[in-house]
Amino acid sequence: DTGVSQDPRHKITKRGQNVTFRCDPISEHNRLYWYRQTLGQGPEFLTYFQNEAQLEKSRLLSDRFSAERPKGSFSTLEIQRTEQGDSAMYLCASSSPGTSGRFDSYEQYFGPGTRLTVT
Amino acid sequence: DQQVKQNSPSLSVQEGRISILNCDYTNSMFDYFLWYKKYPAEGPTFLISISSIKDKNEDGRFTVFLNKSAKHLSLHIVPSQPGDSAVYFCAAQGAQKLVFGQGTRLTINP
Repeated sequence: DTGVSQDPRHKITKRGQNVTFRCDPISEHNRLYWYRQTLGQGPEFLTYFQNEAQLEKSRLLSDRFSAERPKGSFSTLEIQRTEQGDSAMYLCASSSPGTSGRFDSYEQYFGPGTRLTVT
Repeated sequence: DQQVKQNSPSLSVQEGRISILNCDYTNSMFDYFLWYKKYPAEGPTFLISISSIKDKNEDGRFTVFLNKSAKHLSLHIVPSQPGDSAVYFCAAQGAQKLVFGQGTRLTINP
């Protein structure tokens, strides 16, 4: 299977601890995205990479959050000093240039997500 | 501000009938629109998309309609099947990222 994978699927941590999530995109995709989803809401954009370059970060991504994609393949999302408000589903998606010829017509494919619970 | 809105939190449709899910957006800079389906404990699954230069795109039982003047899109599923029961999200693409609506929970009744 060559879909997007995320690890771990579930993480329970105590407030104040650091956590790190991993995402492996579809192998030929050069763009990788992180989103966060809370109950009853749609996913919200956090950040995205083109190859190893982090090109945009949302204002939702506080200083406690950091994301990396060191070799342009897998990515990690770290949350330091977790707070209860960080409890959410963290989703990773990847995409590649569309075939329509339009630069921005990328369809994003999502992984299963990592559900974080901060107690 | 909520740039993409799905005003119906839930929709119930009888098996075999048409399901119509609606979505409104406010930002005229969005140029690509997508529908995703989500089951519990899974990530969103891409269903169908449409470019802003088109007004209709069809893929099997799924058709997406785009009305740019009204800033409105809809997803039609016909005929509806029990396996279609899920939460459906519309999303709009702008500046390389997706902006999602809140989702509509579709229930297909036998």
